[in-house]
Amino acid sequence: EPEVTQTPSHQVTQMGQEVILRCVPISNHLYFYWYRQILGQKVEFLVSFYNNEISEKSEIFDDQFSVERPDGSNFTLKIRSTKLEDSAMYFCASSGQGATEAFFGQGTRLTVV
Amino acid sequence: GESVGLHLPTLSVQEGDNSIINCAYSNSASDYFIWYKQESGKGPQFIIDIRSNMDKRQGQRVTVLLNKTVKHLSLQIAATQPGDSAVYFCAENIPNTGNQFYFGTGTSLTVIP
Repeated sequence: EPEVTQTPSHQVTQMGQEVILRCVPISNHLYFYWYRQILGQKVEFLVSFYNNEISEKSEIFDDQFSVERPDGSNFTLKIRSTKLEDSAMYFCASSGQGATEAFFGQGTRLTVV
Repeated sequence: GESVGLHLPTLSVQEGDNSIINCAYSNSASDYFIWYKQESGKGPQFIIDIRSNMDKRQGQRVTVLLNKTVKHLSLQIAATQPGDSAVYFCAENIPNTGNQFYFGTGTSLTVIP
């Protein structure tokens, strides 16, 4: 069964450092997303990406965040200068054409120290 | 932002009983809804979906009911099993928002053997 894969599963970084979280969406999907989940809280939308550009982003997705689809398979989230409050689970998801279910990866746990 | 909320943050049921998890959504334009199950340390997993032109949809042991009049969604799990213990989120999709999904707070379901 096709799945969304994320790497690494756990990333520890020092405050102020840049991190790149990587995702391989399901191959024939067209919409790509990043969500985050602070421990014990709900899943929060960060950004959606369609047709090689950001289609929607939330207030959380400020200038320190960026996304890229560098090739036909990877979808990355970069956090330019990490803060302690960026510590969370980051989930990548993808979906097909139209309003269809989003499939989620297993997440990357980011810990900023 | 949009509000998708759950009436109860926690729910405990006896194994074999039926479970009902409720969700209220705020945007009457939402036209697609998904229930996700999230086990500890894992990404949200699709359970069942429903479109706004329906009021009921059944899957294997699960039923989703949609009441558009009061903007309410429920997930019914029949014969609840210990493996059903997880956090359950409803998510709504609002047209013309980059196909993003807005998640509710989540209900933690505990099945007592």
